[in-house]
Amino acid sequence: QKEVEQDPGPLSVPEGAIVSLNCTYSNSAFQYFMWYRQYSRKGPELLMYTYSSGNKEDGRFTAQVDKSSKYISLFIRDSQPSDSATYLCAMRDNAGNMLTFGGGTRLMVKP
Amino acid sequence: DTEVTQTPKHLVMGMTNKKSLKCEQHMGHRAMYWYKQKAKKPPELMFVYSYEKLSINESVPSRFSPECPNSSLLNLHLHALQPEDSALYLCASSQETSGSYEQYFGPGTRLTVT
Repeated sequence: QKEVEQDPGPLSVPEGAIVSLNCTYSNSAFQYFMWYRQYSRKGPELLMYTYSSGNKEDGRFTAQVDKSSKYISLFIRDSQPSDSATYLCAMRDNAGNMLTFGGGTRLMVKP
Repeated sequence: DTEVTQTPKHLVMGMTNKKSLKCEQHMGHRAMYWYKQKAKKPPELMFVYSYEKLSINESVPSRFSPECPNSSLLNLHLHALQPEDSALYLCASSQETSGSYEQYFGPGTRLTVT
C-alpha cells in the first residue's frame, strides 16, 4: 500500500461545477499538507498549504484536513476550463522537509 | 516573489554528451532540491541541499552530479545518460529543510536522451 493514495482520474466535470479532489494517507506523523496544480509539461504550482486539521480557503479553493480519518480534500468552486490540470497532494512530517506525493488526479473542466 | 527559474527549458542530448541543468532562486531560501518526474507520475526526489551542502542523495546514479555554487544557484551535471533518464527535471526551494516552510517548484527542464 502506498503512503499516500490519490485517485488518478481523469475527472471530467462541466464548467461551473464544484470539484472535490481527495487523498488518503497512512502515516499519522504527517503534519503539513499541500496541494499543487500542474499543467501539462510545466512545474507544480503550490495552491494550498495547511497545517494539521481544519479548513483553509483561498478564493475558489478550499482545503480540508481530517487527521482523525487521514483524509484531505481540495474543493474548487465555480470550476473553469483553466482549472484543467493534474492536482497533486503532498504531505510531510515535522522532522524534515521530504515531501510524500500522491499520484495526482487529472481534472478536465469542459466548457 | 516565489519564483524559481530553470534553464534550459528543453534539452536533447546523446548518451555520450555532457550537459548541465541550472536552477536559480532569489527568495533567500537555504534549501534547494532536484526532482525527476516521468509522465503521469509524481515528482521523485533526487537530491537535497541545505545551506549549500548536500544533505540527501536518494541513491541517484553517479551519472547525475549535483552542485550548489552558492545559496541562490543549483546545478545538475549530466554525463553518459541513458534513454530511460528522459524526464522532466524539476528544481525546488524552501526557506529551510525543516519547519513549516512551503516548497516552491520551478518550471522544469524537459530532457530527452537519444
